[in-house]
Amino acid sequence: NAGVTQTPKFQVLKTGQSMTLQCAQDMNHEYMSWYRQDPGMGLRLIHYSVGAGITDQGEVPNGYNVSRSTTEDFPLRLLSAAPSQTSVYFCASSYSIGSPRETQYFGPGTRLLVL
Amino acid sequence: SQQGEEDPQALSIQEGENATMNCSYKTSINNLQWYRQNSGRGLVHLILIRSNEREKHSGRLRVTLDTSKKSSSLLITASRAADTASYFCATEQNRDDKIIFGKGTRLHILP
Repeated sequence: NAGVTQTPKFQVLKTGQSMTLQCAQDMNHEYMSWYRQDPGMGLRLIHYSVGAGITDQGEVPNGYNVSRSTTEDFPLRLLSAAPSQTSVYFCASSYSIGSPRETQYFGPGTRLLVL
Repeated sequence: SQQGEEDPQALSIQEGENATMNCSYKTSINNLQWYRQNSGRGLVHLILIRSNEREKHSGRLRVTLDTSKKSSSLLITASRAADTASYFCATEQNRDDKIIFGKGTRLHILP
């Protein structure tokens, strides 16, 4: 299994540009989530999904969109990039059979710089 | 605001000593997890403790959970240089499906 994969690893954008961060997992996990990590702030939840066709907002959803058309993929879209979105983005997935949920598996991260 | 808050923010100890980190949270939870992150890397799951459990062990790790105080502690015994990393607690809230992280404790093991 490849686990959780993220592309790209690095990206530089200009203010106002849009882009999609890709996340895929091959473990048949129902639950997937996106976090951003900024210095001294830990990880903050952007959006999450409990299964295909279902998404919900996390702690800091503004400026980001997600969709979950398949179990495997959970892309994160930046609609109009702003310097405040400069961060490291992590995607995670886990099983979601009732509660409590099992451990989350994290991707390697995408480093985004918005100029 | 974030659900979990780790304490201390940073900790430096000598190799071989024990390291203790604490996590406090605000709302009712289903479980609490601890993760480790080496510099510039993704997070690695260490241990999960459910809301009806009070203590759990895994190798050199010991986790306690006090739901009445909404707090947890992670103890790493006989620390090694390889334990140098940031440690995060994450809580699964029982009112929704969110898993929320704290800001982390930076642990540095001195040789």
